[in-house]
Amino acid sequence: DGGITQSPKYLFRKEGQNVTLSCEQNLNHDAMYWYRQDPGQGLRLIYYSQIVNDFQKGDIAEGYSVSREKKESFPLTVTSAQKNPTAFYLCASSISGSKTTDTQYFGPGTRLTVL
Amino acid sequence: GQSLEQPSEVTAVEGAIVQINCTYQTSGFYGLSWYQQHDGGAPTFLSYNALDGLEETGRFSSFLSRSDSYGYLLLQELQMKDSASYFCAVREGGSARQLTFGSGTQLTVLP
Repeated sequence: DGGITQSPKYLFRKEGQNVTLSCEQNLNHDAMYWYRQDPGQGLRLIYYSQIVNDFQKGDIAEGYSVSREKKESFPLTVTSAQKNPTAFYLCASSISGSKTTDTQYFGPGTRLTVL
Repeated sequence: GQSLEQPSEVTAVEGAIVQINCTYQTSGFYGLSWYQQHDGGAPTFLSYNALDGLEETGRFSSFLSRSDSYGYLLLQELQMKDSASYFCAVREGGSARQLTFGSGTQLTVLP
């Protein structure tokens, strides 16, 4: 079945540690996105990528980094510079990033807790 | 800047009809989307309105008035499984980043 997978589902890290969240899709989508969701809040865009080897900062990119070496994969690293990293992280993809009718398809999310 | 407003909570009983409103202020506007998210789960796409009027998909309908910067999601014949958060999202332009989400409305369906 086609879809988006994120791993792990739950992640715990100590303060000062970097951690990488995985996102893989087999939908053959060009565009991929990372969002952060805090309790009772909407989704805020961290980074997005419209094509391999290219990515752009979203609204809250500070303390995060990404790479897009393969079309299928868009890992997110939460660095120690991120002041408040505890949140629910959602990865999404869409066929392209340029059409106004594009629907975004979401993965199941990773819940990161900093101890 | 851009902002979207939707009620934080709505409660209704099984079998009822509920309307979740969304008003927006954006620099550009191409369309309004609705997503459903069950607790702890992934948001799933429900509908997209680019033009004024009502779009119907089964028990769910979505409405847009561009002149009023307003839209709503209408859920009919409510079921317990409809208990979830519902987000409106505005498409402000053609580039990938220009999808802005509201804070969500928590719908609770009571027996």
